[in-house]
Amino acid sequence: DIQMTQSPSSLPASVGDRITITCRASQSISRYLSWYQQKPGKAPKLLIHTASSLQSGVPSRFSGSGSGTDFTLTISSLQPEDFATYYCQQSYSTPRTFGQGTKVEVK
Amino acid sequence: QVQLQESGPGLVKPSETLSLTCSVSGGSVSSAGYYWSWIRQPPGKGLEWIGYFYYSGSTYYNPSLKSRVTISVDTSKDQFSLRLSSVTAADTAIYYCARDTGNCFDPWGQGTLVTVSS
Repeated sequence: DIQMTQSPSSLPASVGDRITITCRASQSISRYLSWYQQKPGKAPKLLIHTASSLQSGVPSRFSGSGSGTDFTLTISSLQPEDFATYYCQQSYSTPRTFGQGTKVEVK
Repeated sequence: QVQLQESGPGLVKPSETLSLTCSVSGGSVSSAGYYWSWIRQPPGKGLEWIGYFYYSGSTYYNPSLKSRVTISVDTSKDQFSLRLSSVTAADTAIYYCARDTGNCFDPWGQGTLVTVSS
């Protein structure tokens, strides 16, 4: 199985901050990497697929980069509605696997 | 647009079989190129992929659950189902159905909480 490791696990931040979340795969996954946002009591929502493609309707303050084993999700200016948990996920092979999550919380 | 909705019992007894159905609207489970998937999330924890049914008829299950899982499809109803046998308290989770495009999971159902308890 491909292991996905996110860092940090918790990220205290303030509105307006630029934040970056890192995801590392245990082997190369090319660009088969997606990012999801999950709010309490809700299903995960797709933000970015194929490492850097912004899903339709997702604000442009979200961006993704990387290839191979190292990937990042950046929020350029954190908004109040962005406080949530973020997950990365690989689609390079089965079983599909997720990172453990990064909780972006109020500083 | 495609929408997914899970349904099934919210309470299952230990050692019994968990059965859930995902209804697909705005699309078809026979659509080429899609993998119809189940994912679960224990309360307060992360996401675990359970398995998928590919439109061509093949299935793939997470090795950690393979001996207990069956995913099937009813094309006449545009539904796909999950059966998980011999459940324990460790199987208590929110169960999501989702469409796997090969690059990502989108869309997701709203999720349904299944509690394993006597």
